[in-house]
Amino acid sequence: SQQGEEDPQALSIQEGENATMNCSYKTSINNLQWYRQNSGRGLVHLILIRSNEREKHSGRLRVTLDTSKKSSSLLITASRAADTASYFCAFTGGFKTIFGAGTRLFVKA
Amino acid sequence: SAVISQKPSRDICQRGTSLTIQCQVDSQVTMMFWYRQQPGQSLTLIATANQGSEATYESGFVIDKFPISRPNLTFSTLTVSNMSPEDSSIYLCSVERGGVEQFFGPGTRLTVL
Repeated sequence: SQQGEEDPQALSIQEGENATMNCSYKTSINNLQWYRQNSGRGLVHLILIRSNEREKHSGRLRVTLDTSKKSSSLLITASRAADTASYFCAFTGGFKTIFGAGTRLFVKA
Repeated sequence: SAVISQKPSRDICQRGTSLTIQCQVDSQVTMMFWYRQQPGQSLTLIATANQGSEATYESGFVIDKFPISRPNLTFSTLTVSNMSPEDSSIYLCSVERGGVEQFFGPGTRLTVL
C-alpha cells in the first residue's frame, strides 16, 4: 500500500482544547510534512520536519518526529473552529512523497 | 512557495470519454507529480513526470489509462482515458521546491456519470 497510517481517523474536540494526530510509516525518509485540507479543497502545507530533526514549532503547531519508531505527531494547541479540516502527513523518501490516510478533525465552537 | 494552476477546476463527464487536465507552474521545476484523491480518501501518487522522459507510474496505474505529457519545465497534462464512475476523484498536480517542500495545485474535481 502506498499510504502511511494515521490515527485517529477522526477526532472531535471543543474549541480551546489541544488536538494530537499521529502518523506512522514503514520506509526510510528524508523528511515528513503535514498538510491541511478543507472540505476536499486544495492542500495547505503546514510544516516540514527533516529526518535529522526531532521537533519543530510553527505558531500553534508542534510536530515531533521519531525516526527510530518511524512515527510523527502533530499537535494543535488551543484549537479553533477554523481548524476543522482533514490533516495528512506525507513522508518523502527518495523522490516520492507518500501520504498518510488522514485524520478528520472537528472543532466544536 | 510555488503558484500552481490547474484546468479545469471541475468537470462532469460521460462514461467512456476522456478528459485532459492541465497543470501550470509559475517557474521551472524538474519533477511534477500527479495524485488522485478518491472521495473521502487520502492522496495516492499516480505518476512522476520528468521533462523529456517517460513518466514513471506507480503500482496500479498504467500509461494507457493515465497518459501524461511533460513538454517543458513549467507544464504537464494528465489524461484520464475511457472513464468510468470509479474514476470520479480529485486529481492534483504537485511540484517540489528546494528538493524538499511539496506544493499542490488546487485540484480538478472529476465526476463521471
